[in-house]
Amino acid sequence: AQTVTQSQPEMSVQEAETVTLSCTYDTSESDYYLFWYKQPPSRQMILVIRQEAYKQQNATENRFSVNFQKAAKSFSLKISDSQLGDAAMYFCAYRSGDNYGQNFVFGPGTRLSVLP
Amino acid sequence: DTAVSQTPKYLVTQMGNDKSIKCEQNLGHDTMYWYKQDSKKFLKIMFSYNNKELIINETVPNRFSPKSPDKAHLNLHINSLELGDSAVYFCASSHPSLGRNSPLHFGNGTRLTVT
Repeated sequence: AQTVTQSQPEMSVQEAETVTLSCTYDTSESDYYLFWYKQPPSRQMILVIRQEAYKQQNATENRFSVNFQKAAKSFSLKISDSQLGDAAMYFCAYRSGDNYGQNFVFGPGTRLSVLP
Repeated sequence: DTAVSQTPKYLVTQMGNDKSIKCEQNLGHDTMYWYKQDSKKFLKIMFSYNNKELIINETVPNRFSPKSPDKAHLNLHINSLELGDSAVYFCASSHPSLGRNSPLHFGNGTRLTVT
């Protein structure tokens, strides 16, 4: 079974600075998909960014980008120009590429604080 | 125009009671899920349905029973509630037929408190 690890339970960043959240996963598959979700105090789950394992190019969404290292099974999230509204729990998630692999496996989360 | 809506938002009940949480999605997705988020924020899948057919059934007490009357609805019924059932329950949907990078779309969660 696949597992997702986020080794940083908590992180903090100064407003306007850059922070990187780590995520590693364990899989024997070559085809899969990776996601980052944000959960602010409102508890809503918001998709931040996604990456297909077959794509070598790292995904980017405005201030959010990933560093996808397939061989190392690493999928870190970089937040640039951090804003107060970025304060939240961040979850890394893995989904198998198998047609029936519709389970999304989540990491334990990293709580990000943004300091003014 | 809420995409995935679940009700109620909060549910406080006593041990031993039976309760239901309802979920509806208007995205036209063919797969729906129930996830449980515990007090440490860990998210774990409970069930998944694809076009009303159960495809994922994790190790969940049989006091929990999902029901999918159609592919837009997935309700969760819980019998004989226990203190350990207190958690936030998320309904979600996705549409792998559109592309296997189809993400999960979540409802806003139901916070269940068992006293």
